[in-house]
Amino acid sequence: EAGVAQSPRYKIIEKRQSVAFWCNPISGHATLYWYQQILGQGPKLLIQFQNNGVVDDSQLPKDRFSAERLKGVDSTLKIQPAKLEDSAVYLCASSSQGAGNSPLHFGNGTRLTVT
Amino acid sequence: DQQVKQNSPSLSVQEGRISILNCDYTNSMFDYFLWYKKYPAEGPTFLISISSIKDKNEDGRFTVFLNKSAKHLSLHIVPSQPGDSAVYFCAAFNNNDMRFGAGTRLTVKP
Repeated sequence: EAGVAQSPRYKIIEKRQSVAFWCNPISGHATLYWYQQILGQGPKLLIQFQNNGVVDDSQLPKDRFSAERLKGVDSTLKIQPAKLEDSAVYLCASSSQGAGNSPLHFGNGTRLTVT
Repeated sequence: DQQVKQNSPSLSVQEGRISILNCDYTNSMFDYFLWYKKYPAEGPTFLISISSIKDKNEDGRFTVFLNKSAKHLSLHIVPSQPGDSAVYFCAAFNNNDMRFGAGTRLTVKP
């Protein structure tokens, strides 16, 4: 089966600019996650979708971050405006059920550098 | 709020020996634990998991042990191989909430 696809792989922007990341989960996976991984730390959940509905966005900085999952398949994560501390790898993951019942499948991530 | 901790940032072992990676957690409500492996420039991949109702789960060279009273789990790799060199993340799950540790970088020397 094809894995989780993410693009772009790398992005360099200046602070206060905007950026968007795209994710295509494994076919048939209802649950989609966006994680932020800062260097030296473990992945931190930003938002979780079940089909096209939001399950958990409690750790999403909503003043600058937004995400959507149209039609319950692909998803985009946007940052506007970016700050220096947003430099991180943004990982998309999907699972067929909730994470406790089936492991997450991660994409290769997008490495964002904000200068 | 670090609910899952991996206190060893790195570990180096000789090929053929046992690798033991440790993980501690603080939230007793976690009921499912997972280990992920991550190579450079790739996303984490699932390795092995254990439910809180068990104390051991084995899959080939990989065994995870859970000590609920100590809120501690460990991953044993035996025998270790150079291809096992990667960053290993411990994760704990409860009710749609999954928390990751900071990872341990394992290096297996030939």
